[in-house]
Amino acid sequence: DSGVTQTPKHLITATGQRVTLRCSPRSGDLSVYWYQQSLDQGLQFLIQYYNGEERAKGNILERFSAQQFPDLHSELNLSSLELGDSALYFCAYAQGYEQYFGPGTRLTVT
Amino acid sequence: AQSVSQHNHHVILSEAASLELGCNYSYGGTVNLFWYVQYPGQHLQLLLKYFSGDPLVKGIKGFEAEFIKSKFSFNLRKPSVQWSDTAEYFCAVNPLGAAGNKLTFGGGTRVLVKP
Repeated sequence: DSGVTQTPKHLITATGQRVTLRCSPRSGDLSVYWYQQSLDQGLQFLIQYYNGEERAKGNILERFSAQQFPDLHSELNLSSLELGDSALYFCAYAQGYEQYFGPGTRLTVT
Repeated sequence: AQSVSQHNHHVILSEAASLELGCNYSYGGTVNLFWYVQYPGQHLQLLLKYFSGDPLVKGIKGFEAEFIKSKFSFNLRKPSVQWSDTAEYFCAVNPLGAAGNKLTFGGGTRVLVKP
């Protein structure tokens, strides 16, 4: 157990909808990363926040956005969902260079 | 952009066999290197890491990896696998100096250990 929690574990929704995925850190972790894992794209970095500020962006679609709140939990918002957004979404918290992953949210868009 | 290649997509072997998984990356600068393991239905767990120093690093569960700078490689090894090593293994690279410390992952290698 990494100590990083993610909710919900599973999410099934329809195309065109909007969802919010939540991630909570271990104590003291300031940096949060979001990754998408899909069969065709593999594991891809989406976005990073550090202590509430956006630090780096990867292959994140404009329909997707994220936030990190003062209590350091983070949310990933996915809107106008398409079938191709079905994937596992992981968050990871880091102290220094090591990243500790949450259990993931499996999103299914129907 | 940097990339990470894992040469084998699937590996099937018997218990007690030796395992070696290849990983090559394309980035000319200094990097941190990682191997993660994902057991069926579980999250990514850090197996081992290389930041600097001795290029042969030891991780958890009897795994080790060797960094060969001249070959841009970071291969994972285990002398004798167990059925419980059935999992997907990911190599990841973090280039130093890039914005943030994002990880670039290889495509993963699914390992099936037959009892």
